Amino acid sequence: ETGVTQSPTHLIKTRGQQVTLRCSSQSGHNTVSWYQQALGQGPQFIFQYYREEENGRGNFPPRFSGLQFPNYSSELNVNALELDDSALYLCASSLPSGQASSYNSPLHFGNGTRLTVT
Amino acid sequence: DQQVKQNSPSLSVQEGRISILNCDYTNSMFDYFLWYKKYPAEGPTFLISISSIKDKNEDGRFTVFLNKSAKHLSLHIVPSQPGDSAVYFCAASKAGNTRKLIWGLGTSLAVNP
Repeated sequence: ETGVTQSPTHLIKTRGQQVTLRCSSQSGHNTVSWYQQALGQGPQFIFQYYREEENGRGNFPPRFSGLQFPNYSSELNVNALELDDSALYLCASSLPSGQASSYNSPLHFGNGTRLTVT
Repeated sequence: DQQVKQNSPSLSVQEGRISILNCDYTNSMFDYFLWYKKYPAEGPTFLISISSIKDKNEDGRFTVFLNKSAKHLSLHIVPSQPGDSAVYFCAASKAGNTRKLIWGLGTSLAVNP
């Protein structure tokens, strides 16, 4: 069974630039969620993708956007980077809510991408 | 406004003893609760969960207790082992189509040999 993999592991960008982070979901999982974890904080929900469409979003501005591909992999794009965007970005995959077997199916996380904005 | 609260930033326990990590929540709509463990430079790893229809769930050394009237849950680790040293996060979600988890700030557990 292949787990959730994220790339790159570390990234340094300059304020105003754009960044793309990538995630491959765990085998058999077709829902992908993205979280931002700032230093000393718990993860904050950015959005979720299911069947290549965004179907849930947290309190993040539109410059945070995403994609999900037919193979269930996903990208997180952040435009016009700000210093406060520096954080660990976590991708998680899961079975979709609503499936009989999904209620007790927890999110499985990758190791994250550490983004530093200077 | 922190809907999931872990009021103890850190906890130190002797190997072999019980570790008790606490979590409080404010939103009565939460119906599913999870505990994750996180090591440095790794993503969170799922430990154990409980739905609101239960008050206890056990998995090996890990037991989660839920007190809905007090909006409180706790994770018990017995016996504690040095490898349990990590940051433990409590998370909660509401029924629906989104697997959106609301997280606490975490409790750093140190198990001393």
